Amino acid sequence: KAGVTQTPRYLIKTRGQQVTLSCSPISGHRSVSWYQQTPGQGLQFLFEYFSETQRNKGNFPGRFSGRQFSNSRSEMNVSTLELGDSALYLCASSPLSRTGTYEQYFGPGTRLTVT
Amino acid sequence: GENVEQHPSTLSVQEGDSAVIKCTYSDSASNYFPWYKQELGKGPQLIIDIRSNVGEKKDQRIAVTLNKTAKHFSLHITETQPEDSAVYFCAASIRGNQFYFGTGTSLTVIP
Repeated sequence: KAGVTQTPRYLIKTRGQQVTLSCSPISGHRSVSWYQQTPGQGLQFLFEYFSETQRNKGNFPGRFSGRQFSNSRSEMNVSTLELGDSALYLCASSPLSRTGTYEQYFGPGTRLTVT
Repeated sequence: GENVEQHPSTLSVQEGDSAVIKCTYSDSASNYFPWYKQELGKGPQLIIDIRSNVGEKKDQRIAVTLNKTAKHFSLHITETQPEDSAVYFCAASIRGNQFYFGTGTSLTVIP
């Protein structure tokens, strides 16, 4: 099975711009979660989608948003970029059912640099 | 929310020795505890996990133990090899797929 894929792998944006990152989960996985990884804050949960619905949300401002399509692919959007948004954005997919917790498999991440 | 603490932040061992990384969690409702290995330039890779109804789990050179009473869990790597060098993260989940991660341990295996 192909793993989780994320595009693009690297991105450079300017403060104030917006950005959209894409994630394709492992085939058959219906849950997609997004995380932000920085040296200072570590791995922090952004949100999780299951069957096109946001199920959980972390403590990030409303500038961070996401969505999931009917084929389970997901996108996250960050509007009005700030320097502090520079990070590795990781997507993880899981064979989660409607209840319970299942293992998550991470993609390689998108490295976002805001200048 | 849940708070996961991880120690040590860095660990150096000689090849062939064992390595132990420890994590504590705060919320007794947490019921799933995965461990991830992250190599430079890559995403975290799931290496082993344990659920709250199990005390220990082993997979070849890797084992994880869970003490629910004390709210801590540990990763044990035996017969370490240079390719085990990486950053290791523990995590805890209460429900769904909202994971709370530890701050990571940078493991160096010296040949």
